[in-house]
Amino acid sequence: AQSVTQLGSHVSVSEGALVLLRCNYSSSVPPYLFWYVQYPNQGLQLLLKYTSAATLVKGINGFEAEFKKSETSFHLTKPSAHMSDAAEYFCAVSGLNAGGTSYGKLTFGQGTILTVHP
Amino acid sequence: NAGVTQTPKFQVLKTGQSMTLQCAQDMNHNSMYWYRQDPGMGLRLIYYSASEGTTDKGEVPNGYNVSRLNKREFSLRLESAAPSQTSVYFCASSDFQGGFFGPGTRLTVL
Repeated sequence: AQSVTQLGSHVSVSEGALVLLRCNYSSSVPPYLFWYVQYPNQGLQLLLKYTSAATLVKGINGFEAEFKKSETSFHLTKPSAHMSDAAEYFCAVSGLNAGGTSYGKLTFGQGTILTVHP
Repeated sequence: NAGVTQTPKFQVLKTGQSMTLQCAQDMNHNSMYWYRQDPGMGLRLIYYSASEGTTDKGEVPNGYNVSRLNKREFSLRLESAAPSQTSVYFCASSDFQGGFFGPGTRLTVL
């Protein structure tokens, strides 16, 4: 069984400040981990993914995340927030599908709404 | 290359009515999924299809049925809509690059 916990349903930062969104996971198999972003009234866009190749993963829009197995964490960071980063962010975990031909079903956290103040 | 497309974008139903949400992907992915999104609950898996011809229940399958019509298309059917099914529905497909989501269908059941 897999699960994801996102700590903090709302995070507020000032423009130019560090963004830190927390994600902890539970998985009985080696996990694949993802961060998605959702802008209002839109679908989900993949920010970055961890697939065991490297523990520090860089994604789009200046975001990065570090996989820490000992802490079962995959926190999302960005050194300097922009107003355009305001959105809802979802952490997700999966394994492989039954045939091993792709990632399997995603289990999502509850989401963190990021607000950026000028 | 349109990615994942969903129709309709919006729908209002009365309790007891039925409807089918359509989803198609043009990325040649084997796996496809239906999720629902409700405030404060993230996205929850309704049904998924690991490959053409196979479907499996997810976390919240009650009140829904699915059909994997071919490799491209995966539809979700509500046989008798209930107010508890008011939600935003997302279709997704995946490969080893990740999961790709459609724009969503906003469904209201009165």
